[in-house]
Amino acid sequence: EVQLVQSGAEVKKPGESLKISCKASGYSFTNDWIGWVRQMPGKGLEWMGVIYPGDSDTKYSPSFQGQVTISADKSINTAYLQWSSLKASDTAMYYCARRTDTWIDYWGQGTLVTVSS
Amino acid sequence: QSALTQPASVSGSPGQSITISCTGSSSDVGDYNYVSWYQQHPGKAPKVVIYDVSNRPSGVSNRFSGSKSGNTASLTISGLQTDDEADYYCSSYRRSSTLDVFGTGTKVTVL
Repeated sequence: EVQLVQSGAEVKKPGESLKISCKASGYSFTNDWIGWVRQMPGKGLEWMGVIYPGDSDTKYSPSFQGQVTISADKSINTAYLQWSSLKASDTAMYYCARRTDTWIDYWGQGTLVTVSS
Repeated sequence: QSALTQPASVSGSPGQSITISCTGSSSDVGDYNYVSWYQQHPGKAPKVVIYDVSNRPSGVSNRFSGSKSGNTASLTISGLQTDDEADYYCSSYRRSSTLDVFGTGTKVTVL
């Protein structure tokens, strides 16, 4: 059974760094794209970026390029999303998602990130 | 990147059929059969109900169906049930974009 299990909720202050994780199981981690989707409070879904763990090829949405870093550790089947300096506007739910050729077939349960002074 | 356009809300009574539209352009919906639809209940992760315009994943009710005409894709829910009350998002591959684009989202209310 394919599962994507994300790390727990985080409460951070502006300017702090953060790395959240998504552990995959039940499939060959290196053979599918996995990425991150942001959902701000009361708003819609936005692709942030994806990574192909097999060769670490990474693609970012223009809105998030330079704002976050997506990485993966194929030795432990885990993808990451990190910020070096959080802003209040980063407050959102973040979902990891496995992307097949043309659609998302599995989603993580979500990680709520709250940034507040 | 501009989102695909969906109506903000659609409603129907139990047993009725409703249709949600998803309007894009000749650079995405109109030129590729890579439209997918996701259902999201409050506080839950999204779940795919349709992929590649009209295909239903295993386990999804056949009350959900998808189609496309020109630059507009549609999701139809027939025999509306209370559990269908959720937000629905379309998504499409877009030429010259690094990633797929989502729609603006539609809140479905069962009256």
